Amino acid sequence: TQLLEQSPQFLSIQEGENLTVYCNSSSVFSSLQWYRQEPGEGPVLLVTVVTGGEVKKLKRLTFQFGDARKDSSLHITAAQPGDTGLYLCAYTGFQKLVFGTGTRLLVSP
Amino acid sequence: KAGVTQTPRYLIKTRGQQVTLSCSPISGHRSVSWYQQTPGQGLQFLFEYFSETQRNKGNFPGRFSGRQFSNSRSEMNVSTLELGDSALYLCASSFTVRGPANTGELFFGEGSRLTVL
Repeated sequence: TQLLEQSPQFLSIQEGENLTVYCNSSSVFSSLQWYRQEPGEGPVLLVTVVTGGEVKKLKRLTFQFGDARKDSSLHITAAQPGDTGLYLCAYTGFQKLVFGTGTRLLVSP
Repeated sequence: KAGVTQTPRYLIKTRGQQVTLSCSPISGHRSVSWYQQTPGQGLQFLFEYFSETQRNKGNFPGRFSGRQFSNSRSEMNVSTLELGDSALYLCASSFTVRGPANTGELFFGEGSRLTVL
């Protein structure tokens, strides 16, 4: 099972700031997914990226899949308290979804 | 449509006891996966069931078991509980099994938080 390392592990910022979360591996993936898990909830899918170099936007969230399909990033513009949560990248391994180590984000008003 | 339902939401057990957790998938979904989430290890895959058959199993001891019923509902059981089994157990459903060509979404329940004393 390939490892998905996410950085930073923790991030505490003020409302309105920008931030970037990274998901890195030494392996090549056919696709990567990003999930967000809010306190007391299960993870919810945000996006799936499948093409090297692909950029997808979801309102203030921008997702990028690396050209070599080994890494991905999530950029949030003008973060809001509602963005607080655990951000997880994941890939489909052999018959299972494998999750990264996670980035815990806290956005304070 | 109704989401994935997990019961119970919270439970406390003591070492050596056993526990059974239940998961009702989204209507029409035939695949149910179970994950263990802890602060130290993150989300770890336990097993996946499809059409009442276990399709894949993660790296957990035999104390962890599961099953799926004909209506796609699933249960997981942990026997001889240890302190380290304290975790959030998440169930996820999807229409079909995971595979390289399947980039579909996993729909998660809110989880069952198990505390072992």
